[in-house]
Amino acid sequence: GQQLNQSPQSMFIQEGEDVSMNCTSSSIFNTWLWYKQDPGEGPVLLIALYKAGELTSNGRLTAQFGITRKDSFLNISASIPSDVGIYFCAGSSGGGADGLTFGKGTHLIIQP
Amino acid sequence: GAVVSQHPSWVICKSGTSVKIECRSLDFQATTMFWYRQFPKQSLMLMATSNEGSKATYEQGVEKDKFLINHASLTLSTLTVTSAHPEDSSFYICSARWTGTPYEQYFGPGTRLTVT
Repeated sequence: GQQLNQSPQSMFIQEGEDVSMNCTSSSIFNTWLWYKQDPGEGPVLLIALYKAGELTSNGRLTAQFGITRKDSFLNISASIPSDVGIYFCAGSSGGGADGLTFGKGTHLIIQP
Repeated sequence: GAVVSQHPSWVICKSGTSVKIECRSLDFQATTMFWYRQFPKQSLMLMATSNEGSKATYEQGVEKDKFLINHASLTLSTLTVTSAHPEDSSFYICSARWTGTPYEQYFGPGTRLTVT
């Protein structure tokens, strides 16, 4: 089956620093999505990417859909305490009727 | 918009009993809903895809007779864990796909199931 490799597994950063995480896939995806999950809650959609090469921003978040359609990255600029959580990439290879394949997550920890 | 709710948020049941979890799209109609399972410190794994008015499609390795899914309306899907066992204890999360954004899935807050 499809697998997503997400890295890093965890990040310990200082408040104010920029953050970068990425996902790579063994196969092509038509859509990349980035979610944030807080403990005991469901994932919240941050950014959705639909086209290869697409670069999309949402406030301090920027994500790109790799040109090969096998990778994506998420950047967070000027991190703040509320950015703490687990970030998941997710991909869809189908036409919208498919469930998502999730990466293993990046646990972001911000040190004051 | 695009709010998905789940009920209950947590449930404790005895081994051998059945538990029903509801997933509702509150402000949109969802032609397709998905059920995921998440074990502690792990990622979400797709269990099944639920289309309104038709039988659910289960992922490989997921027992359809154990995890019964019903999608009776465009705003409600239910997951019933039958004859639950301790190994079924997990965080169950549903998502709904809005027809307006085919690839975006909006997730519910999850249901924590503990089987004793």
